[in-house]
Amino acid sequence: KAGVTQTPRYLIKTRGQQVTLSCSPISGHRSVSWYQQTPGQGLQFLFEYFSETQRNKGNFPGRFSGRQFSNSRSEMNVSTLELGDSALYLCASSLGDKGEQYFGPGTRLTVT
Amino acid sequence: GQNIDQPTEMTATEGAIVQINCTYQTSGFNGLFWYQQHAGEAPTFLSYNVLDGLEEKGRFSSFLSRSKGYSYLLLKELQMKDSASYLCAVPFYGGATNKLIFGTGTLLAVQP
Repeated sequence: KAGVTQTPRYLIKTRGQQVTLSCSPISGHRSVSWYQQTPGQGLQFLFEYFSETQRNKGNFPGRFSGRQFSNSRSEMNVSTLELGDSALYLCASSLGDKGEQYFGPGTRLTVT
Repeated sequence: GQNIDQPTEMTATEGAIVQINCTYQTSGFNGLFWYQQHAGEAPTFLSYNVLDGLEEKGRFSSFLSRSKGYSYLLLKELQMKDSASYLCAVPFYGGATNKLIFGTGTLLAVQP
């Protein structure tokens, strides 16, 4: 089975722009979670989707949004980028309602 | 709320044993995960403890004490490739969600 895939792997944007990141979970997995990882803050939860419904959202501003499609693929969007949004964005999928999460390789976003 | 503490950095010698501690404070408990993350890569699952005691998996073992809010990851016969960040995480307690709360991670350096 293929693992979790994320595209693009690297991205450079300038302040004020917006960006969309994509995540394809492991086949059959219905839960997709997004995390932001920075050296200072570690892994911070952004949001989680299960069967196209957002079940939980982390403490991030409204500029961060996401969605999940009927095939379980998920996207996250960040609008009006700020320098502090530079981070590794990780997506993780899980088979059921709770349980072990499998992480993708991440998207490295640099905002200049 | 939920809070997780781990040491920031540790150093150990190839062939030795190292113990990485994790303490947590949660309003409820649904188990504890350990992940390994090599630099520039995605976190990979190591173990999941939900009951007290030690679980062994090859060179890696994980221990949990729910009454003390304490867990540790034990790595035996250390190899250079074990140099990585080790992340302790607990599932968010409250409602249906796969949200994980992560510690900041322990960066382990294995020296020859």
